Amino acid sequence: GAGVSQSPSNKVTEKGKDVELRCDPISGHTALYWYRQSLGQGLEFLIYFQGNSAPDKSGLPSDRFSAERTGGSVSTLTIQRTQQEDSAVYLCASSPTGTTLAKNIQYFGAGTRLSVL
Amino acid sequence: RKEVEQDPGPFNVPEGATVAFNCTYSNSASQSFFWYRQDCRKEPKLLMSVYSSGNEDGRFTAQLNRASQYISLLIRDSKLSDSATYLCVPEGGSSNTGKLIFGQGTTLQVKP
Repeated sequence: GAGVSQSPSNKVTEKGKDVELRCDPISGHTALYWYRQSLGQGLEFLIYFQGNSAPDKSGLPSDRFSAERTGGSVSTLTIQRTQQEDSAVYLCASSPTGTTLAKNIQYFGAGTRLSVL
Repeated sequence: RKEVEQDPGPFNVPEGATVAFNCTYSNSASQSFFWYRQDCRKEPKLLMSVYSSGNEDGRFTAQLNRASQYISLLIRDSKLSDSATYLCVPEGGSSNTGKLIFGQGTTLQVKP
């Protein structure tokens, strides 16, 4: 079946504008994660969804960042009043459940490359 | 101390060589461990889950030492296609969220 799909693949915006990034997880996966990767850096956890609720938002860097998930499927990450330091690749992953057992793998989308000018 | 520490490399090795990467993690509550592979400008893909004290999958062997909070990855008979960044990934260890903590990765370049 289809993998994790993210859109847009690239987004260029001006400082101060709002952006929305979309993630379509693998069908049937209840857990969904957002990460971001700045140039030359490792992946940084942002938020975790189990179904439509977000029990762990600890990685969101500021209140300009928010995310929602509807129908236990599609998720949208919104960044308001973008800043240049928000430039990064935003990656979405899904897994069958939210508990990580050795064989419960997270599958990643190709990411959205955000550039804030 | 960083949550996950890896030598960034790069490790430059000839084809056929054996190479080992090491990783230390700080969260003693982590229960599951993974090695992911990330090619340049691509998303991470799972290479291996790390079971118990370690496991082997073809040319790849992963080992885990919980007492020392240390994970290793051994690649035998390196191929050109093994060139990538290898990410050490312990599970976040709290509240069963499944959150993964990514190291910055170790870059491997396999030369002809």
